[in-house]
Amino acid sequence: EAGVAQSPRYKIIEKRQSVAFWCNPISGHATLYWYQQILGQGPKLLIQFQNNGVVDDSQLPKDRFSAERLKGVDSTLKIQPAKLEDSAVYLCASAGRADTQYFGPGTRLTVL
Amino acid sequence: AQKVTQAQTEISVVEKEDVTLDCVYETRDTTYYLFWYKQPPSGELVFLIRRNSFDEQNEISGRYSWNFQKSTSSFNFTITASQVVDSAVYFCALSEVGTGGFKTIFGAGTRLFVKA
Repeated sequence: EAGVAQSPRYKIIEKRQSVAFWCNPISGHATLYWYQQILGQGPKLLIQFQNNGVVDDSQLPKDRFSAERLKGVDSTLKIQPAKLEDSAVYLCASAGRADTQYFGPGTRLTVL
Repeated sequence: AQKVTQAQTEISVVEKEDVTLDCVYETRDTTYYLFWYKQPPSGELVFLIRRNSFDEQNEISGRYSWNFQKSTSSFNFTITASQVVDSAVYFCALSEVGTGGFKTIFGAGTRLFVKA
């Protein structure tokens, strides 16, 4: 069974630029999560989808972050414009039953 | 309020020592799930175990064991005879069942160094 795929693995941009991350969950998993993990901290949930509907986006900075999950499968997370404090690893996870989340390799974002 | 506390920021042990990673949680729900994940230097979070709130039975998987005690709201993780490959950051997580699905919060993690 293929795992959660994410791309790109690394991205370096300058502040005020835009960036987008892509995630392909495990086949059949209805729930998809985006997390932000700042160095030395635990993952912080940004947004949670159930199929293509948003379940929780309470911690998503909506003035600059947006996410969508078309057709309930792949998802993209966008930051526009990026700030220095957005430097982090962005993790995508998917879950089938009982919220056991399986994570992708993450995208390491550096904002200069 | 939902909260997960991993009080140990870093632990350093010598290979073959046993080590216990502590996790204390807070929740008002009676139905919830607890998890442990491993994050090796490569960065990908690896699922280790899931435990539901109605199952307090301890679990052993090879050198790994977990002790779930509702009375103290703890879900501790013990590695027996640690190995260098166990060096990683370990996260404890709590999921509550909400109206729109599960709501998950992670602890800050414990970084384990196993020296040869």
